[in-house]
Amino acid sequence: DQQVKQNSPSLSVQEGRISILNCDYTNSMFDYFLWYKKYPAEGPTFLISISSIKDKNEDGRFTVFLNKSAKHLSLHIVPSQPGDSAVYFCAARGAQKLVFGQGTRLTINP
Amino acid sequence: DTAVSQTPKYLVTQMGNDKSIKCEQNLGHDTMYWYKQDSKKFLKIMFSYNNKELIINETVPNRFSPKSPDKAHLNLHINSLELGDSAVYFCASSPTSLSTDTQYFGPGTRLTVL
Repeated sequence: DQQVKQNSPSLSVQEGRISILNCDYTNSMFDYFLWYKKYPAEGPTFLISISSIKDKNEDGRFTVFLNKSAKHLSLHIVPSQPGDSAVYFCAARGAQKLVFGQGTRLTINP
Repeated sequence: DTAVSQTPKYLVTQMGNDKSIKCEQNLGHDTMYWYKQDSKKFLKIMFSYNNKELIINETVPNRFSPKSPDKAHLNLHINSLELGDSAVYFCASSPTSLSTDTQYFGPGTRLTVL
């Protein structure tokens, strides 16, 4: 019973274009959402977050959108750069713990 | 300076053995966690300690026993290893136990049980 899902295991985008990573959740009690980025042989690192009272949060090239009615969030990266190639995990807060999705591998092609 | 470190990085062992994974953080954080990344790649929390006290204990077999000798260390001991324990285990820490705190992860320990 996975409460947070990232249904695209991988995504390939050309350098300079927009990357859009998606995440769906089932628990309407989740009130805080995060994106983590993971390079090979390293642990995940925090990227950006959003509270459920907002629908958008922006930090440089990264923007997270939250659609509570659809229980969906997305991460937009624009413009995409080669260094953005990594696995991206979305996570949601519930019952004082984080619930993670299974990650999407993003590859930025030159 | 590694913020959250885990040893070993790789662990290959036979079924039935007992093994430990060590985790240390030098960030001065109060809270530490163990996560398991299963075969389907989901990262799932196993345990959380705040100032050496257990605060989260998910439904994990009691063959898994965390130990926190001080707030900078959280070790994971696994008894009677089974094939299904093969996974990548991540340690993490955060300043407090508030789940809005950013969690800082170690590089992971890949456990393979043969």
